[in-house]
Amino acid sequence: AQKVTQAQTEISVVEKEDVTLDCVYETRDTTYYLFWYKQPPSGELVFLIRRNSFDEQNEISGRYSWNFQKSTSSFNFTITASQVVDSAVYFCALSGEHSGSARQLTFGSGTQLTVLP
Amino acid sequence: DADVTQTPRNRITKTGKRIMLECSQTKGHDRMYWYRQDPGLGLQLIYYSFDVKDINKGEISDGYSVSRQAQAKFSLSLESAIPNQTALYFCATSRGTWTDNEQFFGPGTRLTVL
Repeated sequence: AQKVTQAQTEISVVEKEDVTLDCVYETRDTTYYLFWYKQPPSGELVFLIRRNSFDEQNEISGRYSWNFQKSTSSFNFTITASQVVDSAVYFCALSGEHSGSARQLTFGSGTQLTVLP
Repeated sequence: DADVTQTPRNRITKTGKRIMLECSQTKGHDRMYWYRQDPGLGLQLIYYSFDVKDINKGEISDGYSVSRQAQAKFSLSLESAIPNQTALYFCATSRGTWTDNEQFFGPGTRLTVL
């Protein structure tokens, strides 16, 4: 079985602050993929990033960065200089090579980020 | 135009009614999925389809059925809706290979069962 835990239910920051969203996962698979999705107030789910288990390089995309650490089973997401438009629910998800024939995504419960002006 | 569309976007219905939610995609993907999202929870997989003739149950399929009418269309039905099926429903698509497996979601259908 696989599991994704996002312990931070809600985070509130003031604009321009940096914020890190935590994601801890459990899987017995050696090959797996990790994902982050954003769900803004309008409700759609927007794909942000995919990372495979063999690539522990951190990734930066503009104000977004991701820190993957297999040793702690974590895949944390940092927003630098947050903006009001970053306010959304952020989901971390996991797909393991043996997670059923669908290689289905297991989602965390999400973190509601509110960025105040 | 959106690559994955869902109709209707909002629906209010009564207990016992039959409801169909529709999903269409122009991404050319083989795989399609139906999820539900409940407040404070992540997404749970209801059904998935690898192609028109391959349909499979997900983790919470009871009370739901699906139809894959074509590569581009995947419908979800609630045969007799009940209040605890009130949720946000998402359709998603992905390519057929696991190494290229990110899922792309539709805008969601908000269903309320009274």
